[in-house]
Amino acid sequence: QQQVKQSPQSLIVQKGGISIINCAYENTAFDYFPWYQQFPGKGPALLIAIRPDVSEKKEGRFTISFNKSAKQFSLHIMDSQPGDSATYFCAASSSRVGGADGLTFGKGTHLIIQP
Amino acid sequence: EAGVAQSPRYKIIEKRQSVAFWCNPISGHATLYWYQQILGQGPKLLIQFQNNGVVDDSQLPKDRFSAERLKGVDSTLKIQPAKLEDSAVYLCASSLDRGSFNEQFFGPGTRLTVL
Repeated sequence: QQQVKQSPQSLIVQKGGISIINCAYENTAFDYFPWYQQFPGKGPALLIAIRPDVSEKKEGRFTISFNKSAKQFSLHIMDSQPGDSATYFCAASSSRVGGADGLTFGKGTHLIIQP
Repeated sequence: EAGVAQSPRYKIIEKRQSVAFWCNPISGHATLYWYQQILGQGPKLLIQFQNNGVVDDSQLPKDRFSAERLKGVDSTLKIQPAKLEDSAVYLCASSLDRGSFNEQFFGPGTRLTVL
């Protein structure tokens, strides 16, 4: 059962444009929503993360928008650059009893920034 | 600060053979995770350790997969016997402690091909 649904599967954006990736979740126990960036041959690296008590978090060109009632969150990349070309994963986890807090990932979005 | 180390980086085996992967987490990190990333999908949690104890192995196919973290530092993941569908990248991640807000740092992964 896929608990985090991510779209689109692939995205092409012109340099300087805005890249938008969306995710929806089902489990209301999730309390941590990170976005990971992965380059070919590398492990995922944390980009930005948000907790459900805020609706938006911005770090440089990267912004997470969070809608708790709709159970949706999105990543916005402003002024997209060719170096941003990578695969992006949304994820979610919860602080469950016993400390089990493994991440549940979306299927990923392959982002290409055209120069 | 050294990152999460994994070896080997690549492994090719025949089906029904056995294979083992090794992970050395970031120094001082108490929590260690193994994820399986099938091509074109997001990572899927297999097992979570807290020091040398298992916190969550609910998604580990225990008939063929095993993992250990005997001294609370390094960890090994074993598959015996391997099936074609085990072809994937096996990612190790570590965090300072359990709790969903602790960042998980990923290693580069071991790419397994089962022929």
